[in-house]
Amino acid sequence: GNSVTQMEGPVTLSEEAFLTINCTYTATGYPSLFWYVQYPGEGLQLLLKATKADDKGSNKGFEATYRKETTSFHLEKGSVQVSDSAVYFCALGMAGGRRALTFGSGTRLQVQP
Amino acid sequence: DVKVTQSSRYLVKRTGEKVFLECVQDMDHENMFWYRQDPGLGLRLIYFSYDVKMKEKGDIPEGYSVSREKKERFSLILESASTNQTSMYLCASSLKARAGGLRTEAFFGQGTRLTVV
Repeated sequence: GNSVTQMEGPVTLSEEAFLTINCTYTATGYPSLFWYVQYPGEGLQLLLKATKADDKGSNKGFEATYRKETTSFHLEKGSVQVSDSAVYFCALGMAGGRRALTFGSGTRLQVQP
Repeated sequence: DVKVTQSSRYLVKRTGEKVFLECVQDMDHENMFWYRQDPGLGLRLIYFSYDVKMKEKGDIPEGYSVSREKKERFSLILESASTNQTSMYLCASSLKARAGGLRTEAFFGQGTRLTVV
């Protein structure tokens, strides 16, 4: 079946540090890939997405590139802020059909001033 | 903007009670989902619905049922609440992917934190 594996958290960084959150996936076929963010006390919001190999999704300074050869979709940001403190979820969805997205376990990011 | 609204942010219920969690979306999405979120386990799919009156079990349907009488509303029912159902419940909706089309993103409500005592 399909699955998503994320690095365990929490990840603790100082403000302006570089961020990488690793995400790898297992899927039959070619999924679309997503990063969602959950701020404290809130639901999930879509952060960025990529729909085919070598696509780069980007939003709010975050980027992730769909790497088919390594089945990865790592999230990066060049300079994090305190306001980026949240839980980040990697997810995949298969083309067609009506199945729900498959989520990773989430990675908590804590940014200290 | 898509809006997915869950009826309660916080609920406290007693063991054995029947509990209803309501979710409404305003963008005419075909698909609706219920997930539960627990620390270290991420989001786990309970049930989803791809059309009115249609439903499919997700990964952890035991102890839950759902109802979708109207396209915009999807209810999660705990027939007899138990303490191991204490969790954050998240509702989501999405457009149905067309044949051969790419999976579209899901839009989430703000979540309902349910405590069963």
